[in-house]
Amino acid sequence: AQSVTQPDIHITVSEGASLELRCNYSYGATPYLFWYVQSPGQGLQLLLKYFSGDTLVQGIKGFEAEFKRSQSSFNLRKPSVHWSDAAEYFCAVGSYGQNFVFGPGTRLSVLP
Amino acid sequence: EADIYQTPRYLVIGTGKKITLECSQTMGHDKMYWYQQDPGMELHLIHYSYGVNSTEKGDLSSESTVSRIRTEHFPLTLESARPSHTSQYLCASRWTSGYEQYFGPGTRLTVT
Repeated sequence: AQSVTQPDIHITVSEGASLELRCNYSYGATPYLFWYVQSPGQGLQLLLKYFSGDTLVQGIKGFEAEFKRSQSSFNLRKPSVHWSDAAEYFCAVGSYGQNFVFGPGTRLSVLP
Repeated sequence: EADIYQTPRYLVIGTGKKITLECSQTMGHDKMYWYQQDPGMELHLIHYSYGVNSTEKGDLSSESTVSRIRTEHFPLTLESARPSHTSQYLCASRWTSGYEQYFGPGTRLTVT
């Protein structure tokens, strides 16, 4: 069965600290991988995506993610967190023509 | 960047009322989706469409119905709203041959 897990429900970091949000997936086909961010009361905004090629992808707002096929992981990172990064983060997996499968989300809080 | 619109953004209605949540996109995307999301929780796919006159039920059973008469428009209707329908409803679209999904800002529905 296709599934996405985000082991951390809630993470709190201090402003300026580094961040890593974990994502693991189980998917039968060659996966396309995505990270979305959702601010309170808003829709989802695409942060970055991976289809093929270089396993380290860069996204908007200074985020990056690394695809590790052997670990079925696609972890999101940021070297220095800003207060405006506080939001809900969703990992998603899909493939050509198929519906996305979303993870349960990780809520990020940022301490001043 | 795709433009996808949802109206209303917020709606408070009484039990038993009929409501329609509107979703429109301007990019000519063939696939469209409705997700239901409780605050701070994961997304549940309730309906999707491959194109005009195509509608399918998603993973989560829903008492709502949808229609797709025009490519750009994918409204969701609740014939008789109940408090259990209180949630956020997110609309999304994409090309079948494309990769990422684009989301609207959401409609927050409260049924009293």
